[in-house]
Amino acid sequence: AIRMTQSPSSFSASTGDRVTLTCRASQGVRNSLAWYQQRPGEAPKLLIYATSTLQSGVPSRFSGSGSGTDFTLTISYLQSEDFATYYCQQYYLYPFTFGPGTKVDMK
Amino acid sequence: EEQLVESGGGLVQPGGSLRLSCAVSGFTASEHSTDWVRQAPGEGLEWIGRVGNKASRYRTQYAASVEGRFIISTDDSKNSVSLQMSSLKTEDTAVYYCCRSPHGSIGDSWGQGTLVTVSS
Repeated sequence: AIRMTQSPSSFSASTGDRVTLTCRASQGVRNSLAWYQQRPGEAPKLLIYATSTLQSGVPSRFSGSGSGTDFTLTISYLQSEDFATYYCQQYYLYPFTFGPGTKVDMK
Repeated sequence: EEQLVESGGGLVQPGGSLRLSCAVSGFTASEHSTDWVRQAPGEGLEWIGRVGNKASRYRTQYAASVEGRFIISTDDSKNSVSLQMSSLKTEDTAVYYCCRSPHGSIGDSWGQGTLVTVSS
């Protein structure tokens, strides 16, 4: 199975910050990479699919990039509602696999 | 508006069985793939399986952790997807989510989740 890693596992930030999260796959996944946001007690919410395509209704401050094995999610201007855990997922090969998540909390 | 609602969770003893349902509204379940994802308490997300759309003849795929114990199926008449779980283990304790995965995308609509607790 493809192993997904994310860094950092957690970090503290302030509203207004530019935040970059990293996801790495143990082998190439083409562009079949998605990013989710999950707030405590809620279901995950799709932010980005196909590496860089913004899901309908998601604010444009979220963007994704990368290819092959290395991917990033950028939040250009962190808002209070963005404090959450972020997961990447590859859907190139079965079994689809998630990264362990990056928790973004308030500094 | 697309909506998915899971039901059927609860407390079950190790070795037991449970059937979860994912009721779909606002779209036709058979036109899209449906994934099941679980989250153990305090842990991350784990993809456990998928049922493909009608065009794929409802082809299924599973994670190794549940292969041979879980079965995912689509019920066209009820516009729902089910997850039949058997030989349950304590490590299967988790919130179980279903999500719609359109062609070219994944997980664009999720249910609220249902809690399964495997304990004696």
